[in-house]
Amino acid sequence: DAGVIQSPRHEVTEMGQEVTLRCKPISGHDYLFWYRQTMMRGLELLIYFNNNVPIDDSGMPEDRFSAKMPNASFSTLKIQPSEPRDSAVYFCASSLVYNSPLHFGNGTRLTVT
Amino acid sequence: QQPVQSPQAVILREGEDAVINCSSSKALYSVHWYRQKHGEAPVFLMILLKGGEQKGHEKISASFNEKKQQSSLYLTASQLSYSGTYFCGTDNTGTASKLTFGTGTRLQVTL
Repeated sequence: DAGVIQSPRHEVTEMGQEVTLRCKPISGHDYLFWYRQTMMRGLELLIYFNNNVPIDDSGMPEDRFSAKMPNASFSTLKIQPSEPRDSAVYFCASSLVYNSPLHFGNGTRLTVT
Repeated sequence: QQPVQSPQAVILREGEDAVINCSSSKALYSVHWYRQKHGEAPVFLMILLKGGEQKGHEKISASFNEKKQQSSLYLTASQLSYSGTYFCGTDNTGTASKLTFGTGTRLQVTL
C-alpha cells in the first residue's frame, strides 16, 4: 500500500492568499484526520471524518479554515485567507476502524509570509 | 487539555533503559504511542486500552494505569534507531477517534 499521500510537501504563500492542502487516505480506511503541528502547540487535531462525513471540527481554529471529503479517497483542507500564524506542518492521517492505529502522511510544511 | 509527558527530553547511551510518562487530567479510555523522527511523520508504536494491560513491541513496552490516568512507555536496551520524539495520544471521550496528543518527549540515543 502506498500509505497516506499528501500534497504539496511544501507551500510558501503570502498573507491573504488561499491555500489548499490535499490528502489521499489509505484505501479502505474509514477515518480521516487533519492535524497541525507547531513547536508551541504540538500536534493538534483540526477535524476528522468518518466515512466521508465530518464528525468533529471543534479544532478548526477559525472560519478561515474549511475541510471537505467529497469521496473516500480524497480530502482537502483550505485556508482562506492565510495568515503568518497559520505557518505549521499539516498532517493528514487515516485509520482503518474505531480505535485503530493512525497512519500519517508525510505532511505539508506551510509557510505564510 | 493536552496530556503532560515527562521527561521533556532525555539522552541515553546505547543499551540503557528509559521510561516516558504520560499523564492526563481527564479520564482515560485508551492511549496511543507514536514516535516521530526529525522531519518525518509520526509512526505508530502501540495502543493500550482500559484495563491496565501492558503491551510490548520488540524492546518497547507500555502500561496503562486507568486509576492514575496515566501511561508509561518503557524502552529497554535502547538502540540508536530509538532516537526521536515520542508522543502519547489520549482518548478522553470514549470515542477513540479523537486523540489529544501530549507535549512530546525528545529521546536521543548516543554511542
